[in-house]
Amino acid sequence: SAVISQKPSRDICQRGTSLTIQCQVDSQVTMMFWYRQQPGQSLTLIATANQGSEATYESGFVIDKFPISRPNLTFSTLTVSNMSPEDSSIYLCSVGGAGSYEQYFGPGTRLTVT
Amino acid sequence: GQQVMQIPQYQHVQEGEDFTTYCNSSTTLSNIQWYKQRPGGHPVFLIQLVKSGEVKKQKRLTFQFGEAKKNSSLHITATQTTDVGTYFCAGRSTNAGKSTFGDGTTLTVKP
Repeated sequence: SAVISQKPSRDICQRGTSLTIQCQVDSQVTMMFWYRQQPGQSLTLIATANQGSEATYESGFVIDKFPISRPNLTFSTLTVSNMSPEDSSIYLCSVGGAGSYEQYFGPGTRLTVT
Repeated sequence: GQQVMQIPQYQHVQEGEDFTTYCNSSTTLSNIQWYKQRPGGHPVFLIQLVKSGEVKKQKRLTFQFGEAKKNSSLHITATQTTDVGTYFCAGRSTNAGKSTFGDGTTLTVKP
């Protein structure tokens, strides 16, 4: 399975500011995803990060709020824009397994918005 | 849209007791995955089931996929304190491009 790192691991931000989260994979992968997980809750898919094209967003998530970049097959960023306390959550990137649907998750970024 | 439900939400067991979590989908699934998330950790992939009626084992863990491919279960025999965590299923329906995660079952084990 791929080794995935995320930066930062945690941050405390003021409302109205933006934070960019980086996801780095040690091998080339086709599928990369961004999830949000509230404490004690399940995982909610924000978007699929597509290499070379615009990300595919899930219902309830928009590009203006969560812009995503995917410049190559090993790297992606998620920006949380104009943050409010409701954006406090854990943000996880994941990658798809080769030829299958299993996912491998990064360690997550714990975001607190004050 | 596709819904994936898991029961129970919480399970507290004495060490050595068995544990089972159930996953039910509102639609027929093409495949289902199981993940374990330790407290403070990230989800870790355990296994994928694809075939109707499939049963797979990993040491004390037994995974089943229903005959109708709309439900699945994870059974742990003789739980240990290392089994503590939240177990998620994630199902992908035959006409969906993504997997939907269940709400998870949080297991606590009393030594």
